[in-house]
Amino acid sequence: DTGVSQNPRHKITKRGQNVTFRCDPISEHNRLYWYRQTLGQGPEFLTYFQNEAQLEKSRLLSDRFSAERPKGSFSTLEIQRTEQGDSAMYLCASTLSGGEADTQYFGPGTRLTVL
Amino acid sequence: AQSVAQPEDQVNVAEGNPLTVKCTYSVSGNPYLFWYVQYPNRGLQFLLKYITGDNLVKGSYGFEAEFNKSQTSFHLKKPSALVSDSALYFCAVRAFTSGGSYIPTFGRGTSLIVHP
Repeated sequence: DTGVSQNPRHKITKRGQNVTFRCDPISEHNRLYWYRQTLGQGPEFLTYFQNEAQLEKSRLLSDRFSAERPKGSFSTLEIQRTEQGDSAMYLCASTLSGGEADTQYFGPGTRLTVL
Repeated sequence: AQSVAQPEDQVNVAEGNPLTVKCTYSVSGNPYLFWYVQYPNRGLQFLLKYITGDNLVKGSYGFEAEFNKSQTSFHLKKPSALVSDSALYFCAVRAFTSGGSYIPTFGRGTSLIVHP
């Protein structure tokens, strides 16, 4: 058990609906990352936070995607007006900056299926 | 820009035999290199990393990896494979640059199948 939790584990939605995922990192970790993983691919970076500040976003990230980490603890990833191409596994990872040189600890992921 | 190549989609090995999963990278400056393992319907689990120092890095579950700067490679190895090692393995790289990005780039993954 890595200590990073994600909810829900699975989400099935219809195209055009909004969905929100939650990530709870390891409590002392100050950096939190979101990735998307599709079949046959490695994790693709979406965005990351240091404490509550969103420091970097992928250029591939559509404006339908938004992420927050309001108190520097848990984070949410929202996808608005979902499309079938959004179907993927969404992974969250956390790390302690200045600690073990950026070893990222991953959660189990949220699998999104857009019908 | 940084990139990772895992040239083999799948590696097959018999239980008890040594295994190698290949990884090559491209990065500006010195690299941080990582190996992760993913079991079905699970997140990635950290195996080992190279930051600096000894080129041979030892990690979890008996795995090790050798950093080769001239060949820009970081191959994952294990002397004796177990059926339970069957999983998806990902190599990742991040450039070590002061004030630079903390974003790692992952390879596409290699499926390791260990036959009894």
